[in-house]
Amino acid sequence: GAGVSQSPSNKVTEKGKDVELRCDPISGHTALYWYRQRLGQGLEFLIYFQGNSAPDKSGLPSDRFSAERTGESVSTLTIQRTQQEDSAVYLCASSFRTSGGTDTQYFGPGTRLTVL
Amino acid sequence: AQSVSQHNHHVILSEAASLELGCNYSYGGTVNLFWYVQYPGQHLQLLLKYFSGDPLVKGIKGFEAEFIKSKFSFNLRKPSVQWSDTAEYFCAVKWGRSYIPTFGRGTSLIVHP
Repeated sequence: GAGVSQSPSNKVTEKGKDVELRCDPISGHTALYWYRQRLGQGLEFLIYFQGNSAPDKSGLPSDRFSAERTGESVSTLTIQRTQQEDSAVYLCASSFRTSGGTDTQYFGPGTRLTVL
Repeated sequence: AQSVSQHNHHVILSEAASLELGCNYSYGGTVNLFWYVQYPGQHLQLLLKYFSGDPLVKGIKGFEAEFIKSKFSFNLRKPSVQWSDTAEYFCAVKWGRSYIPTFGRGTSLIVHP
């Protein structure tokens, strides 16, 4: 019964470098979400995966951001050529999709990204 | 655009005081409503949710929320807070059959012992 895990927990990088963040969802959860949370702000939706369907990428802020998920397992969020405004906590959540959008999301601990 | 407003950004209370945190959302229609809580050093976790039926929803740790459709609101309440309720509280809304919730900015609650 492990929960959602994310790695690394903290990442400090230099401006212009690429970073890769990882999320391990709860086993059996078909849906996976990535969010960004800037200091003092709410959660900003980035991308949503559901099973083998095409992901909903509508929240990705620029083409420097991309994410992959293989089947219903691990997902990676990649940020290329990082900028200082990318500094934030990146949260992953998973859920077992139910009809009508009533599923409950389970969140990971997040990755705190600091771009110097 | 669809939005969720939490008007109280910071709330400071003494133990045993009553709590009400506001949450308002834009647009009507069918909504699924959530309150999440993040205790210091812990993950975001679900506090309570409303999908249909009784508009007064009870959650964990003595929290409740009331869905008032005419006011587009889903305020969180607790009659008597404890020091352990110190946390960040987030309201979230899903419209229609959407699977992607919109989160409010969050309310930081500090309860003094």
